[in-house]
Amino acid sequence: AQSVTQLGSHVSVSEGALVLLRCNYSSSVPPYLFWYVQYPNQGLQLLLKYTSAATLVKGINGFEAEFKKSETSFHLTKPSAHMSDAAEYFCAVSEATYKYIFGTGTRLKVLA
Amino acid sequence: DTAVSQTPKYLVTQMGNDKSIKCEQNLGHDTMYWYKQDSKKFLKIMFSYNNKELIINETVPNRFSPKSPDKAHLNLHINSLELGDSAVYFCASTPDAGAPYEQYFGPGTRLTVT
Repeated sequence: AQSVTQLGSHVSVSEGALVLLRCNYSSSVPPYLFWYVQYPNQGLQLLLKYTSAATLVKGINGFEAEFKKSETSFHLTKPSAHMSDAAEYFCAVSEATYKYIFGTGTRLKVLA
Repeated sequence: DTAVSQTPKYLVTQMGNDKSIKCEQNLGHDTMYWYKQDSKKFLKIMFSYNNKELIINETVPNRFSPKSPDKAHLNLHINSLELGDSAVYFCASTPDAGAPYEQYFGPGTRLTVT
């Protein structure tokens, strides 16, 4: 059965510092992996997705994620945090049509 | 040009009442979903419809009944509301049932049961 674990429900970084949000997955078949961002009082929007075309995936707003099969990880990074990056981030996995499993989310706080 | 819209945005009601939430997408997508997000931000799928047919029905109380009049609309009716139903409900859609595509989410409906 597929599952997603996000380590760290809260992450704080200084403005300009590296952002690293961790996601590990469990899947019996090569998965599709996604990162979504949720700003306060809004719906989720896609940051990036992995569909086996390339292990390093670039997304919007300067974010990227690397798929590492040996570590079953799909961590999200951004070289330099901006105040506007403060939000809730969700990792999701899908190995079958229609079915998506979301992680418990990581709240990113950016300190001035 | 809202892609996935939900009404109402906020819904406050008393225990025992019946309420409905509506969702519409103008993206031409085939598959629509309802998710429940609890106070800890945990997002759980409830239902999924593909071309008006129910394809996922998670362990949701039968007080919750989805209805899809056409593939652009997916409504959620809730009978006999309980305190535990308080949450944010999100509608989402995907373009095709053949592959795990990214989901497009609506803005959410915050339901408060008192």
